[in-house]
Amino acid sequence: DTGVSQDPRHKITKRGQNVTFRCDPISEHNRLYWYRQTLGQGPEFLTYFQNEAQLEKSRLLSDRFSAERPKGSFSTLEIQRTEQGDSAMYLCASAPGQTNNEQFFGPGTRLTVL
Amino acid sequence: DQQVKQNSPSLSVQEGRISILNCDYTNSMFDYFLWYKKYPAEGPTFLISISSIKDKNEDGRFTVFLNKSAKHLSLHIVPSQPGDSAVYFCAAKDSGTYKYIFGTGTRLKVLA
Repeated sequence: DTGVSQDPRHKITKRGQNVTFRCDPISEHNRLYWYRQTLGQGPEFLTYFQNEAQLEKSRLLSDRFSAERPKGSFSTLEIQRTEQGDSAMYLCASAPGQTNNEQFFGPGTRLTVL
Repeated sequence: DQQVKQNSPSLSVQEGRISILNCDYTNSMFDYFLWYKKYPAEGPTFLISISSIKDKNEDGRFTVFLNKSAKHLSLHIVPSQPGDSAVYFCAAKDSGTYKYIFGTGTRLKVLA
């Protein structure tokens, strides 16, 4: 299977702990997105990478969130000092090319903060 | 401020009939629109898209209509099949950013 993969699929953590999620995009895709989805809502944009460059970050994203994409391949999303409000599904998506294209989503990482 | 709105949280349709899912938006800077389908425990899957310079795009059983003056988007599924039962999200891209804004979704149930 050569789709977008995310690890872990589920994460339960205690408030105040740090967590890190990994996304492996489709190999030839140079564009990578992170989204957050809560119950009853659509995916909410968090950040965008084109190759290794982080070109956009949501203004709603607190300083506790950071994302990287070293070498323009896989990406990581770290949440420091987690809060109960961070509980959500974190989705990664990748896309090819420079123009508007469909995004291919991974299955997501479900985070539960106790 | 919800820039992309899907006002119907759910819709039920008989198999073989037409399903019409609606989406309204407020930002006139949106230049590209997409529809995604989502099954439980999976990420969204792309269905169909349309550029703001067009008013219709068709792909098999799926047709998307764009009415820019009304800032309204709709997805038609004909004929509807039980396998189409899922949550459908519309999304829009702001021409000035890389950001895609999603609606809250409509749960479609196709009854056999």
